[in-house]
Amino acid sequence: GAVVSQHPSWVICKSGTSVKIECRSLDFQATTMFWYRQFPKQSLMLMATSNEGSKATYEQGVEKDKFLINHASLTLSTLTVTSAHPEDSSFYICSALGYREGTEAFFGQGTRLTVV
Amino acid sequence: AQTVTQSQPEMSVQEAETVTLSCTYDTSESDYYLFWYKQPPSRQMILVIRQEAYKQQNATENRFSVNFQKAAKSFSLKISDSQLGDAAMYFCARLYGQNFVFGPGTRLSVLP
Repeated sequence: GAVVSQHPSWVICKSGTSVKIECRSLDFQATTMFWYRQFPKQSLMLMATSNEGSKATYEQGVEKDKFLINHASLTLSTLTVTSAHPEDSSFYICSALGYREGTEAFFGQGTRLTVV
Repeated sequence: AQTVTQSQPEMSVQEAETVTLSCTYDTSESDYYLFWYKQPPSRQMILVIRQEAYKQQNATENRFSVNFQKAAKSFSLKISDSQLGDAAMYFCARLYGQNFVFGPGTRLSVLP
C-alpha cells in the first residue's frame, strides 16, 4: 500500500513549450503533496506544497507563473513547467503525506526533464 | 529558518562493519517527525526509518537504528553489518505539520 506514481519518468521538450508532470497517490488520499527539484548530487529542493482544493504554497524564489501546480483531487497533483528553457532541465520529484505504521512521505519515481 | 544539517558529505564503510551518519536539526516545536531516507542510483526515495519526537525510545528497523537526542536536536543513523546494497545517498528530514525539510545528504560508499 501507499504508492505514489509519477509520470512521465522522463521527458524531452523544446524550448518555449510546456510540459506537465503528474503525481498520483494510487491507494490513499493525499491531502498534502510536495514538489521538489533535485540537481545532480544535491539534496531535494522544495519548490511548493500543495493542498487539495487550494492554491499551492511556493517556496521563496520559485516562480509560481512558471511552475504551475494544481491539486484538484485527493489523488492527483500536477506540475506544469510553462515556457520551458534549458535551465529548467532537472530531476523533479513529488511526494505525498500519508500514513503507514506512522506518518510518512511517499515519493514518486521522479521525472527527468530535458529542455532542448 | 528551520534547517536540517548533515555534516558528513561523504562516508565510507567496509562491508559487514558499522557506520553512523550524523544529523542535527533546528526546530521550536515539541512534537514532530524525523526520518532517514535512502536514495540509491535509481533515485527512488526509500524510507529507512522514522522517529516520532514524543517517543523517547529510539527507533530500530532491522540493521538500522537511530540515536535520537531530543534536547540536543540530534538524530543519527547507525547501519550495522553494512551491505553493498546500502550504498546510496542518505537524507535526514524533519516534518512538522506541512513543513518538510531535508538535509543536504550524505553519500555512503560500502567497500567490499
